[in-house]
Amino acid sequence: DAGVIQSPRHEVTEMGQEVTLRCKPISGHNSLFWYRQTMMRGLELLIYFNNNVPIDDSGMPEDRFSAKMPNASFSTLKIQPSEPRDSAVYFCASRQRDWPQHFGDGTRLSIL
Amino acid sequence: SQQGEEDPQALSIQEGENATMNCSYKTSINNLQWYRQNSGRGLVHLILIRSNEREKHSGRLRVTLDTSKKSSSLLITASRAADTASYFCALPNSGYALNFGKGTSLLVTP
Repeated sequence: DAGVIQSPRHEVTEMGQEVTLRCKPISGHNSLFWYRQTMMRGLELLIYFNNNVPIDDSGMPEDRFSAKMPNASFSTLKIQPSEPRDSAVYFCASRQRDWPQHFGDGTRLSIL
Repeated sequence: SQQGEEDPQALSIQEGENATMNCSYKTSINNLQWYRQNSGRGLVHLILIRSNEREKHSGRLRVTLDTSKKSSSLLITASRAADTASYFCALPNSGYALNFGKGTSLLVTP
């Protein structure tokens, strides 16, 4: 079985640019989560979806961040405009009902 | 919602030794999970222990939960170099989400 697939694996861009991170959850999973990991703050939950509907976006740091899940097999996290403090590793995870979360290998984002 | 706090932050042992890491929390929980993260990879689920369980085993892993002390421990027996990773405890957030601690970084040297 393919796991959670994230793209790109690495992204380097200049501040002010729009960044789009992509995630394909495991087929059949009905919940999807976006996390951000930094040395200072650890792993933070940004937003999660259940059955493609955003349930809790209280972790989204600012209006510059937005996430969508147009269908059960695809989600995006967008940052516009990007800032150097957005540099982090962004993880997507999915789960099915009460089962544990499965994580992708993340997108390492560097904003110069 | 709450985060667990892992202790120690870093642990260095030799192959064959046992590694113990702890997670403390503040308010009562229904369950607690442990995850592992290898360098440059995503987190991988190891084990879930429910509030009515005191101990759980999975291979060389042993997890305990003491709800009176609000703490859990993860023991890795007979450690191997491949166990080198960061280990996180995760507590339920509202709904389906999890809150992760800052993790324990384990280094196992040959």
